[in-house]
Amino acid sequence: GQQVMQIPQYQHVQEGEDFTTYCNSSTTLSNIQWYKQRPGGHPVFLIQLVKSGEVKKQKRLTFQFGEAKKNSSLHITATQTTDVGTYFCAGPGSNYQLIWGAGTKLIIKP
Amino acid sequence: NAGVTQTPKFRVLKTGQSMTLLCAQDMNHEYMYWYRQDPGMGLRLIHYSVGEGTTAKGEVPDGYNVSRLKKQNFLLGLESAAPSQTSVYFCASSKSGAPYNEQFFGPGTRLTVL
Repeated sequence: GQQVMQIPQYQHVQEGEDFTTYCNSSTTLSNIQWYKQRPGGHPVFLIQLVKSGEVKKQKRLTFQFGEAKKNSSLHITATQTTDVGTYFCAGPGSNYQLIWGAGTKLIIKP
Repeated sequence: NAGVTQTPKFRVLKTGQSMTLLCAQDMNHEYMYWYRQDPGMGLRLIHYSVGEGTTAKGEVPDGYNVSRLKKQNFLLGLESAAPSQTSVYFCASSKSGAPYNEQFFGPGTRLTVL
């Protein structure tokens, strides 16, 4: 069936370093959504990308949707402690469902 | 606006006991979802509803039942709890029209089955 794969599972960075997570779908997506889940919290919507090759920025976060609409990435520049959490991508599946990636956990090294 | 609320926040059950988790949303959303999240894993869809009186199975429906008698409420039932159902349960809702609109999540219910 349709799958959304996300890598890496974890990324340890020093505060101030950059962070990137990648999302790959087994099928072409009409759109892709990104969510952030803080430790102990619930997923919160960040952004939705719709167009092929689309790039959107939210302050230090840059989201990209691949030309073939099968992959996406989230890049955080100069990480801060407030960025800690797990980042999920999700793409539309059948019957109103979202197919979720397993998430990338951002850990800031002390 | 409270958004999406879930009760209870925590629960401990013994194997074989039953319980109902309640989800309520005040955003007049048509679609509602129940997910479970296990450590180190993403979200897995249990059941969902696209409108009052309708429900459908998701990826992992076995051992769970749901009801959507009112538009604002979505109930998840465990008839006979098993240790494998120890998890964090999230409810979410979204607008209709564009099924893949952003989903709004509740704070979660942490369930332990002994």
